[in-house]
Amino acid sequence: AQSVTQPDIHITVSEGASLELRCNYSYGATPYLFWYVQSPGQGLQLLLKYFSGDTLVQGIKGFEAEFKRSQSSFNLRKPSVHWSDAAEYFCAVVRGGGFKTIFGAGTRLFVKA
Amino acid sequence: EPEVTQTPSHQVTQMGQEVILRCVPISNHLYFYWYRQILGQKVEFLVSFYNNEISEKSEIFDDQFSVERPDGSNFTLKIRSTKLEDSAMYFCASSALRDRDSGYTFGSGTRLTVV
Repeated sequence: AQSVTQPDIHITVSEGASLELRCNYSYGATPYLFWYVQSPGQGLQLLLKYFSGDTLVQGIKGFEAEFKRSQSSFNLRKPSVHWSDAAEYFCAVVRGGGFKTIFGAGTRLFVKA
Repeated sequence: EPEVTQTPSHQVTQMGQEVILRCVPISNHLYFYWYRQILGQKVEFLVSFYNNEISEKSEIFDDQFSVERPDGSNFTLKIRSTKLEDSAMYFCASSALRDRDSGYTFGSGTRLTVV
């Protein structure tokens, strides 16, 4: 069965520091991978997606993610975090041939001054 | 930027009552979805809807749940007889293509509290 694991429940980084949020997936074929962000009281916003091709994908708000097939990972990165990046981040994978997206449990990011 | 609109933002209901959660998807989108997120837990798929019928549903989506697109703009989720464990944030989403090709646009959610 498909699954998504986000090993870190929460992460705290200093403003201006770099960020990496981890995501591992379990899926037999090449997956379709997404990162979403949820600010408090808000819905989920799509940050970026990977379907095929270049394994480094760029998203909105200065985020990028790298697909590594050998590690079954799709980690999210940002070189310099801003206080407004504090939110919950969800990695997600689409089940091939189906309609539903499977979400990880989320990583809550705290940004300290 | 186009948005998915959900109403109400928060609803409190008594156990056993029926609730209808409303969503207005993006106008040119063809695929519609409901997800829920119980407090502190994962976002879980409930149902997808395409071409006026359910295309996929999860084991959570039992006979107490139903969806409808009553007109050209609204997409509703009905829970016939609410239970305490239905308390959650319910998200509506829509996409122009199947989700694997485009990703969703989510609404801001309806927080349902069953007392």
